[in-house]
Amino acid sequence: SQQGEEDPQALSIQEGENATMNCSYKTSINNLQWYRQNSGRGLVHLILIRSNEREKHSGRLRVTLDTSKKSSSLLITASRAADTASYFCASPGNTGNQFYFGTGTSLTVIP
Amino acid sequence: DTEVTQTPKHLVMGMTNKKSLKCEQHMGHRAMYWYKQKAKKPPELMFVYSYEKLSINESVPSRFSPECPNSSLLNLHLHALQPEDSALYLCASSLILTGDTEAFFGQGTRLTVV
Repeated sequence: SQQGEEDPQALSIQEGENATMNCSYKTSINNLQWYRQNSGRGLVHLILIRSNEREKHSGRLRVTLDTSKKSSSLLITASRAADTASYFCASPGNTGNQFYFGTGTSLTVIP
Repeated sequence: DTEVTQTPKHLVMGMTNKKSLKCEQHMGHRAMYWYKQKAKKPPELMFVYSYEKLSINESVPSRFSPECPNSSLLNLHLHALQPEDSALYLCASSLILTGDTEAFFGQGTRLTVV
């Protein structure tokens, strides 16, 4: 399997708190993406970080990438109830073309 | 228009039926994908088309047959499915087939095989 691993599998926090989820991947990559999926619906692209970037920000999202450890983290600051969703990292496959999703983190933000 | 449209939204089919899932995008994307997602699991890649040609088949059983009739349309033909094939089927597209480009997803077809 070319799938990455995410932890935690599930995370429950209070509104206003920060949420951190981690992704470990298997192959050498030139980029990594994060997606969000609301319950039973399509995925929405959040952010892409390239291998020459260590950190990237987009609004309340902060993504880090450590290629030496083959890991990435997604931080959501000042969480809102609307952030409740599953979050997946996606890393390229062996050919560098198509990408594969990690196991996902299910985030619940309690109002 | 940044939408990927999938039809139908829900489908119930018997194990002897033949049905098709449809996916459409008008963003000029030349890579299109089918993913299968079981409950509480990540999407699993099934097929990838690049410039209307099948580029990747992730060892999917032949009861699933993809088709890309033109650059805007992607179909998934279903025949003699098993109950374990019940899942959310997601279509996606990206500008080109490369791992470093954003993919746009449809809302999926919820398939139930009885």
